[in-house]
Amino acid sequence: KAGVTQTPRYLIKTRGQQVTLSCSPISGHRSVSWYQQTPGQGLQFLFEYFSETQRNKGNFPGRFSGRQFSNSRSEMNVSTLELGDSALYLCASSPAGGQNIQYFGAGTRLSVL
Amino acid sequence: GNSVTQMEGPVTLSEEAFLTINCTYTATGYPSLFWYVQYPGEGLQLLLKATKADDKGSNKGFEATYRKETTSFHLEKGSVQVSDSAVYFCALSALTGNQFYFGTGTSLTVIP
Repeated sequence: KAGVTQTPRYLIKTRGQQVTLSCSPISGHRSVSWYQQTPGQGLQFLFEYFSETQRNKGNFPGRFSGRQFSNSRSEMNVSTLELGDSALYLCASSPAGGQNIQYFGAGTRLSVL
Repeated sequence: GNSVTQMEGPVTLSEEAFLTINCTYTATGYPSLFWYVQYPGEGLQLLLKATKADDKGSNKGFEATYRKETTSFHLEKGSVQVSDSAVYFCALSALTGNQFYFGTGTSLTVIP
């Protein structure tokens, strides 16, 4: 079974641009969560999607948004990029709701110049 | 609310030394507890988990016991190897929903 796939692995953008990151969960998994990882803040929860609906949301500004498609694939969008958005963005999938294990992708490293 | 506090790093040990990484949590209800490991350039991998009080999770020589009375889930390994060098994250999953709360991570370096 293929794992969680995130694309692209690396991105370089400039301030003010927008970016879209993609996550394909493990086949059969319906929940996708997104995290931002930085050296100073650690892992911070962005949001979780389940069956195309945002179910949980972390404390990030509205510039961060996401969506989930009917095949459970998810995208995350960041508009009007700021230098502080430079981070490793991790996606995790799990089979359903409740206390399930989250399986992580390798991440997308975003650098904002 | 829910939160996880884990031991600050970095931790440097000699090969075959004993490892303990402390983790305590705050949660409403009875969460599930996890340890994840992140190797350089990779995402997080599940190392072990425990879903109820007194459960012991174990994998690859690592162990952690869910202690409700001390709200702790300390990670231990009797004899570390160079290949164990990584960042270790303690996490909890709340009773409802699928939101995970992670500690700040502890970097471990094992030297030969």
